Amino acid sequence: EIVLTQSPATLSLSPGERATLSCRASQSVGSTLAWYQQKRGQAPRLVIYDTLTRAPGIPARFSGSGSGTHFTLTINNLEPEDFAVYYCQQRSNWPLTFGGGTKVEVK
Amino acid sequence: QGELVESGGGVVQPGRSVRLACVASGFTFRDYAMNWVRQAPGKGLEWVAVISSDGGNEYSIDSVRGRFTISRDNSKNTLFLQMNSLRPEDTAIYYCAREGRGASAANYLDYWGRGTLVTVSS
Repeated sequence: EIVLTQSPATLSLSPGERATLSCRASQSVGSTLAWYQQKRGQAPRLVIYDTLTRAPGIPARFSGSGSGTHFTLTINNLEPEDFAVYYCQQRSNWPLTFGGGTKVEVK
Repeated sequence: QGELVESGGGVVQPGRSVRLACVASGFTFRDYAMNWVRQAPGKGLEWVAVISSDGGNEYSIDSVRGRFTISRDNSKNTLFLQMNSLRPEDTAIYYCAREGRGASAANYLDYWGRGTLVTVSS
């Protein structure tokens, strides 16, 4: 199975700053990678799919990039509602797998 | 929009069985593949199983294959997960999740329920 490794585990930032989250795959997944946001006590929410396509309702401050084995989720001008845990997920090979998550917390 | 509501969780003894259900509303359930994803307390997400829109194809992770069965009843807009021979390591919140449609969105999970907690403990 494809292992996704996210870094850092925790990102401590202030509102208004930029968050840069990394996801590395154990083998190439092409562009078939998604990002999810999960707030405490809530279900995950799809943010980005196919590396760079924002899901409906996701603001433009969220952007994705990368290909192959290295991917990045960037959140510009962090808003208070953006502080959450973010997971990457690949669909290149079965089984679908998720990364271990990056927590974006208030500094 | 749409809504997914899971039920059936609770405390169950090791080796016993439980059946989870997920009722869908607000969208044409029969048009979408559906998944189960779990999250152990304080841990990350683990995909568990998928079933095609017509129920004809399914797939699950190795650790549950032979113990868990995913199924659906499109006439009742309901997804199921039959969980047998439960183990303590199956303790988790179980989410049902809808897949996106179309080549670009397939196998991404665009809509999630709030989850139901299954605790396997004696």
